[in-house]
Amino acid sequence: ELLVQSGAEVKKPGESLKISCKASGYNFETHWIGWVRQMPGKGLEWMGSIYPRDSDTKYSPSFQGRVTILADTSTTFLQWSSLKASDTATYYCVRDSPGALWGKGTTVIVSS
Amino acid sequence: EIMITQSPATLSASPGERATLSCRASQSVGNKIAWYQQKPGQAPRLLIDDASARAADIPLRFSGSGSGTEFTLTISSLQSEDFANYFCLHFGNWPGFSFGPGTKVDIK
Repeated sequence: ELLVQSGAEVKKPGESLKISCKASGYNFETHWIGWVRQMPGKGLEWMGSIYPRDSDTKYSPSFQGRVTILADTSTTFLQWSSLKASDTATYYCVRDSPGALWGKGTTVIVSS
Repeated sequence: EIMITQSPATLSASPGERATLSCRASQSVGNKIAWYQQKPGQAPRLLIDDASARAADIPLRFSGSGSGTEFTLTISSLQSEDFANYFCLHFGNWPGFSFGPGTKVDIK
């Protein structure tokens, strides 16, 4: 069982971005996948989760409208339409809640 | 909204000592608390589920207790690899969850 995340990104404010989390080794459709943000030197924040079978998606109020969570065959995505410097962070995907299976994280740097 | 707090923010201890970390919820969450360990540059690692159930492959020196609003993670005898950050997580609002701010366990 694995969650493999896409590589680090360096972007400019206002740019769009889509990062991914590819699942393998288990039934992808029947487990929630959540996204967690960790800003530099800070704690962990749940952003939202998706149930791939029907794409039911729940967002934290803090992130509603700021990001979009999507799912495709064996892969979930976290998407921004317009990045801000404050989106600089490491983003983790995690299966279920509480989850024992985590991706290794994707570092996103947003800087002009 | 249920608020999760942790204390202390930093715990300084020596190898071999017992460490007791606290997690408090602003209202009763039953046993819907988990504990994670995180080392720099790594993803969190699940230690304890349902307040007291040790996750797979977690050493016996880690134990969790509590219910309602007060929870404790105990490390019975600190090993060098245990110096890390520890977060509690409330998972009662399925599928959402919220983390406490964390406790850093460092070497005295």
